[in-house]
Amino acid sequence: EIVLTQSPDTLSLSPGERATLSCRASQSIRNNFLAWYQQKPGQAPRPLVFAASSRAAGIPDRFSGSGSGADFTLTISRLEPEDFAVYYCQQSGRAPWTFGQGTKVEIK
Amino acid sequence: EVQVVDSGGGLVQPGGSLRLSCVTSGFTFTSYTFHWIRQAPGKGLEYVSAISGDGSSVSYADSVRGRFAISRDNSKNTLYLQMGGLRPEDMALYYCAREGRGGHYDFWGQGTLVTVSS
Repeated sequence: EIVLTQSPDTLSLSPGERATLSCRASQSIRNNFLAWYQQKPGQAPRPLVFAASSRAAGIPDRFSGSGSGADFTLTISRLEPEDFAVYYCQQSGRAPWTFGQGTKVEIK
Repeated sequence: EVQVVDSGGGLVQPGGSLRLSCVTSGFTFTSYTFHWIRQAPGKGLEYVSAISGDGSSVSYADSVRGRFAISRDNSKNTLYLQMGGLRPEDMALYYCAREGRGGHYDFWGQGTLVTVSS
């Protein structure tokens, strides 16, 4: 199965700063089918980006995804207070679909 | 409006069984593949099982194959997960999720908690 490794595990930033989250796959992901999710305590994950760079419905444009092959990035251009959460990447290029271990974005 | 509501979780002894349900509305149910995904307390997300829109194709994670069975009733717009031989490591919040464009999960249930303990 494809293993996704996210880095860093924790990102400590202040509101207004830029956040850059990485997701690296153990092999190239077919069609760049890589998605990103945000999860807050007590809530289901919320889709942010799919197919590496397409924003999901209703997602503000401060969230952007990039990358291809086995190396992907989620960028939050300016952190808002509501953006402090855990972020997961997920691949659907090869079964079984897998998730990264998550990156926690916390307030510095 | 798309709605996905999962239920059926509870406390079960090791070796026991439980059936989860996921009732949906607001879209053409048969057009979508659905998945079950779980999250152990304080841990990350794990794919469990998936079923195609017509129910003809199913898949399972190695950790549950042979113990869990996914199914759907397209007349009721409902997804199921029959869980048997439950183990302490199966304890988690179970989500049903719709597969959207590019294979991402575009709509999720709120989760239903399965506790395995004697």
